Amino acid sequence: DVKVTQSSRYLVKRTGEKVFLECVQDMDHENMFWYRQDPGLGLRLIYFSYDVKMKEKGDIPEGYSVSREKKERFSLILESASTNQTSMYLCASSLWIRRTGGYTFGSGTRLTVV
Amino acid sequence: TQLLEQSPQFLSIQEGENLTVYCNSSSVFSSLQWYRQEPGEGPVLLVTVVTGGEVKKLKRLTFQFGDARKDSSLHITAAQPGDTGLYLCAGREGGGNKLTFGTGTQLKVEL
Repeated sequence: DVKVTQSSRYLVKRTGEKVFLECVQDMDHENMFWYRQDPGLGLRLIYFSYDVKMKEKGDIPEGYSVSREKKERFSLILESASTNQTSMYLCASSLWIRRTGGYTFGSGTRLTVV
Repeated sequence: TQLLEQSPQFLSIQEGENLTVYCNSSSVFSSLQWYRQEPGEGPVLLVTVVTGGEVKKLKRLTFQFGDARKDSSLHITAAQPGDTGLYLCAGREGGGNKLTFGTGTQLKVEL
C-alpha cells in the first residue's frame, strides 16, 4: 500500500529549539507539500517542492524552512520554535503530471511548543 | 491566494438525516476536490470535479461544482455514523499543482 510517512505522531519541544519534521513517500511523486492545520482555519500551505532541491514558499512560510535532498524525503525545519507554532503538521505528495489528481497525506505530526 | 469558505463550520445530526455542506470562493477554480479526515489521520480524497455544473455521486454522497466554477456543495443522504469526520474542499489554481484548502466542516452523526 502506497503511503506518506511522517516520522513522529506527537512532539513536545521547548521555545527556541530547532525542530525537524520528516516526511517520506514511497510513490515516486514529484510534488511534496507541508501544511499546518488549526481549528477553523483549515489547512494552510507552508512550503512545497516540485523537484529535488527545489522549493517554493506557500502562504505562511515565516519561521519555517524546508529541505529536499532526495525525491522521497521532504523535511520541515522550525529554526527557533515558538508557541504560536503549536499545531498539527501534515505532509502530502502528488504526481506532477496528474493535474487533477489528489494529494496523499501522512497521518500528521502534532507539535506542542512549550 | 484563493480563499475558500465552508459552511457550516460544525454540524451535528441524527442518523438518517440529510445534510449539505457548502464551499464558496470569489475566485474561479480549474478543479475542486473534496477530502474527508478522520481523527488522528490525514485527509483522504473523495472526489475531483473539473467542469462547471458537474455532478458526481459516490454512494450516498453527491458533489456538485457550480456553473461558474467558484463554488461547490456536498450533499449526504441518510447520514450514518461512519460519515462522521472533517470535510475539506480544496481548489486548484490554473494548471498548477498547488491546492488551497477550505476552512473545513466538522460533521458528527449520532445514533
